Amino acid sequence: EDQVTQSPEALRLQEGESSSLNCSYTVSGLRGLFWYRQDPGKGPEFLFTLYSAGEEKEKERLKATLTKKESFLHITAPKPEDSATYLCAVPTPGRSGNTGKLIFGQGTTLQVKP
Amino acid sequence: GAGVSQSPSNKVTEKGKDVELRCDPISGHTALYWYRQSLGQGLEFLIYFQGNSAPDKSGLPSDRFSAERTGGSVSTLTIQRTQQEDSAVYLCASSPSSPPDTQYFGPGTRLTVL
Repeated sequence: EDQVTQSPEALRLQEGESSSLNCSYTVSGLRGLFWYRQDPGKGPEFLFTLYSAGEEKEKERLKATLTKKESFLHITAPKPEDSATYLCAVPTPGRSGNTGKLIFGQGTTLQVKP
Repeated sequence: GAGVSQSPSNKVTEKGKDVELRCDPISGHTALYWYRQSLGQGLEFLIYFQGNSAPDKSGLPSDRFSAERTGGSVSTLTIQRTQQEDSAVYLCASSPSSPPDTQYFGPGTRLTVL
């Protein structure tokens, strides 16, 4: 069964203290890995898509990397406005064999203190 | 451009009543998805529409749940005879083309069943 596991569940950082969030996955043939950011009371906001091992993408203080078994979201010198829940997801075939269904991890809730 | 919109943003109903939740996808997006997010359960896939193909209903939790998509655009998720365990945030997403394309989420509808 396809699975996505994120760690840690919660992370508290001081402003400027860099760290990494982990997303481990088990899927029968990776068709992409997605990172989202979710603020309280809002829908997930798309951050990155990674398709193959070794791929990296960056946006401001965030960098996402992908290996054959896991993905990391590196946060460099975070600011309080980076506080949010970060979700990763992988597509998995539905009954019809398509890959419309995303399986999400439980998320990592990041709090950055000034 | 305009993102995915959902209405209502909040819905409070009594147990046993029927509810309808609406989703307007991003213009031109061919695929539309419904997910449910509840405390302790994370984001769960419900149903996926792609063009004129039969929808993937594999995530619907019971036959009280149904969804339709009219004219390849707007979608309505209907929950009949609501139960307290249906209380959750219902999220809609759309993507430009066939999966595993990036899914863009709306703000969600928070459903509370009393």
